[in-house]
Amino acid sequence: GQQVMQIPQYQHVQEGEDFTTYCNSSTTLSNIQWYKQRPGGHPVFLIQLVKSGEVKKQKRLTFQFGEAKKNSSLHITATQTTDVGTYFCAGPNTDKLIFGTGTRLQVFP
Amino acid sequence: NAGVMQNPRHLVRRRGQEARLRCSPMKGHSHVYWYRQLPEEGLKFMVYLQKENIIDESGMPKERFSAEFPKEGPSILRIQQVVRGDSAAYFCASSLQTSGGWNEQFFGPGTRLTVL
Repeated sequence: GQQVMQIPQYQHVQEGEDFTTYCNSSTTLSNIQWYKQRPGGHPVFLIQLVKSGEVKKQKRLTFQFGEAKKNSSLHITATQTTDVGTYFCAGPNTDKLIFGTGTRLQVFP
Repeated sequence: NAGVMQNPRHLVRRRGQEARLRCSPMKGHSHVYWYRQLPEEGLKFMVYLQKENIIDESGMPKERFSAEFPKEGPSILRIQQVVRGDSAAYFCASSLQTSGGWNEQFFGPGTRLTVL
C-alpha cells in the first residue's frame, strides 16, 4: 500500500538555526498537505501544495512540492521556540489522507 | 464557529470494558475521519464516514472496533472489550462536503484513552 515517509524522525536545533524536514511518497500525489502538532495538542493544517514544483511561503516557513509530485519539503528559517512540535505531511489515497511518519522538532533557547 | 468537538477528553477503562468516543464535526462539514495515535508515533487512519455511511474502514481493526455517523448527533467510535494495547489518543477530523483528499482536515482535541 501507499507509504509516506519523513526524515529525519527527530531534529534538535538551537534557536535561530534553520530546520528542514523531507517527505517522500511511494506513489505520485495529486496534492500534499502539511500539518503541525504541538506537544499534547492536535494536528493543525498549515498548507496544501498542488502543482508540480510549487513553492509556497508562510513567513519563515517555505514549502516545496517536487517536480515528480512524490516528495515535498518544509524549511523553517531561523527557528524559534514557538516552532516546537511535530510536522506531518499527508497525501491523498482515494478519499482519505495518509499521514507521514512525522518529524519532531525541538528548539533549544 | 465552533471547531471539531470531541468528548470525553480523557477516558479511563479497565480491560474488558467498552469505550465510546464522540465527535461533533465543524458546522457544515459532513465528512468525518478517525485516527489513532500511539505515544511518540504518527497518525494512523482508521475510518472515514459521511452521514449514515461508512465510506472507508480499511484502517479499522476487524474485531471490537466500530464507527457510526448517524443522521442526527455526533459520530461515535466504539471499542468493545478494550485491551491495554488500545491505549492511545484518538483524533477525529472533519472536512467540507467534497472528496476528502483534496480538502484540509480540521482536527478535534482528541480523546486520550487509558486502559488499566
